[in-house]
Amino acid sequence: RKEVEQDPGPFNVPEGATVAFNCTYSNSASQSFFWYRQDCRKEPKLLMSVYSSGNEDGRFTAQLNRASQYISLLIRDSKLSDSATYLCVVSERGYNKLIFGAGTRLAVHP
Amino acid sequence: ETGVTQTPRHLVMGMTNKKSLKCEQHLGHNAMYWYKQSAKKPLELMFVYSLEERVENNSVPSRFSPECPNSSHLFLHLHTLQPEDSALYLCASSQPGTGQNEQFFGPGTRLTVL
Repeated sequence: RKEVEQDPGPFNVPEGATVAFNCTYSNSASQSFFWYRQDCRKEPKLLMSVYSSGNEDGRFTAQLNRASQYISLLIRDSKLSDSATYLCVVSERGYNKLIFGAGTRLAVHP
Repeated sequence: ETGVTQTPRHLVMGMTNKKSLKCEQHLGHNAMYWYKQSAKKPLELMFVYSLEERVENNSVPSRFSPECPNSSHLFLHLHTLQPEDSALYLCASSQPGTGQNEQFFGPGTRLTVL
């Protein structure tokens, strides 16, 4: 079983749509959770951390369900510039090692 | 952004060549990482250096040899590579112990082995 699993997509959505990505992780000891964004042929960049209580940053909302070992990312009012690959990332407490999912590709069209 | 820089950005080499990838971070971090990203696969952690000491080697073949001369610089020395080693090699840095595990990535070196 993969340590972090994501639907690879692609998700093709029109501008203005709401889209949700899901991710599951296998290690119950995981303590930190993130969504990174990677544009085509570019490096990954942190989009947002994911907290137990859920958190929101503008149009982006992240949720964590520790019991189900499940993380989600919701994007509202999609923009063309949101087109990218979204990487689900987990790490253990006090440890630098990040485990990356293979990513979910999003394509927003006019 | 120039927080983490990598050179060269592109590299084509034969299987018998020796080359080195360079990474430099200007963020004052004390941990640095090498990752490999192949097409349609997750980023694979190769090496972790913390305070210039290697703390993780993820079963990477010996044809990849890392070097961390100081906390700002990281090298990946390559020799006798195979075509399947063609990939994007990403360097990252972080500041552990601050409660944030965020890693900052360089732009990567796209390597092609002929």
